[in-house]
Amino acid sequence: QKEVEQDPGPLSVPEGAIVSLNCTYSNSAFQYFMWYRQYSRKGPELLMYTYSSGNKEDGRFTAQVDKSSKYISLFIRDSQPSDSATYLCAIKAGGTSYGKLTFGQGTILTVHP
Amino acid sequence: NAGVMQNPRHLVRRRGQEARLRCSPMKGHSHVYWYRQLPEEGLKFMVYLQKENIIDESGMPKERFSAEFPKEGPSILRIQQVVRGDSAAYFCASSPGRMNTEAFFGQGTRLTVV
Repeated sequence: QKEVEQDPGPLSVPEGAIVSLNCTYSNSAFQYFMWYRQYSRKGPELLMYTYSSGNKEDGRFTAQVDKSSKYISLFIRDSQPSDSATYLCAIKAGGTSYGKLTFGQGTILTVHP
Repeated sequence: NAGVMQNPRHLVRRRGQEARLRCSPMKGHSHVYWYRQLPEEGLKFMVYLQKENIIDESGMPKERFSAEFPKEGPSILRIQQVVRGDSAAYFCASSPGRMNTEAFFGQGTRLTVV
């Protein structure tokens, strides 16, 4: 079993739709949760970072963490064609003193006009 | 303020040759992580280095792969006697401190072994 599971998609939505991206994880030691966006042939770019259960909002993006279910989500409101990319969840264990990340496989998102 | 710089962006090597991938962290960052991304897979941790020290190499293959981060100059990921299975995108990330969770990624080096 992989430590982090993420549906690779692909996911295709019309412009303006609400997008829901999800990951599950198996290790309860994971305490820090991130979402990265990766455009084709580019490096990952950090979108959201949280370390507690609940919601965190940043513009059109909302990150949600449910530690009891080991489930994390990223919601994108009013999706735009420029949001078309691969979205990667990344998780870090607490207790370790550095930023080694465990990534999900990534979900390919296409927002069509 | 330049971001994490990786070069070359693309590298083609024949089987059996050596590949050297370079990573210059962001200014002020002294912690470097290397990740590998195989086709249709997520990023996999390879190694974590601070200046002149390898802290965690648990993700590095036992043979042919090595990494360094000298006092002066970029971090180097070295792959000896490359094989077709080494073809992948290799990403470097840097952070300013050991406790920092936020890491900034470079654009990657795409290695193709022919």
